[in-house]
Amino acid sequence: DSGVTQTPKHLITATGQRVTLRCSPRSGDLSVYWYQQSLDQGLQFLIHYYNGEERAKGNILERFSAQQFPDLHSELNLSSLELGDSALYFCASSVGQALNEKLFFGSGTQLSVL
Amino acid sequence: QKEVEQDPGPLSVPEGAIVSLNCTYSNSAFQYFMWYRQYSRKGPELLMYTYSSGNKEDGRFTAQVDKSSKYISLFIRDSQPSDSATYLCAMTSDRDDKIIFGKGTRLHILP
Repeated sequence: DSGVTQTPKHLITATGQRVTLRCSPRSGDLSVYWYQQSLDQGLQFLIHYYNGEERAKGNILERFSAQQFPDLHSELNLSSLELGDSALYFCASSVGQALNEKLFFGSGTQLSVL
Repeated sequence: QKEVEQDPGPLSVPEGAIVSLNCTYSNSAFQYFMWYRQYSRKGPELLMYTYSSGNKEDGRFTAQVDKSSKYISLFIRDSQPSDSATYLCAMTSDRDDKIIFGKGTRLHILP
């Protein structure tokens, strides 16, 4: 168990809908990263938050947004969902904000858009 | 050219064999090189971490980095069925704002 908790584990929804994925980092970790994993694209970086502030953005669509709350948990909001958004979404956490630190990944949320 | 290239496999080898997994990359600025192991329906977990060139050994695992060739390898000795997983290489530098992952190689160790 990595100590990173992601909910829900599975999410099935329809095109055009909006969903929220939740992540609780390991105790003491200040950084939260969101990744999207699909068979054809692999693990794609979406966004990085450190202690409540956005630190870096990757291949995140404008329909997607995220935030990190004062208690350090994070939420990834996906709106106007399309079939192509179906993927495994991972959250990872680390102690600091340096990229050479060890990342601890949650078990992911499997999103299916029908 | 993609930043990080990794053969997706699957790679099937008999139990006890030495496994070699590789990645090539194009960005010569990369300094930090990692290997993550991902079991089915689980998140990736860090297996090996190397800074710059050279070798690093941890039990049955050895990571090698050849910066001149932009090539990294992970060797698994005495492979076990429990090593069956997807292995992702990852890399970054002090100038980057993200870690770049390879697409992963699926490995099957046959009992």
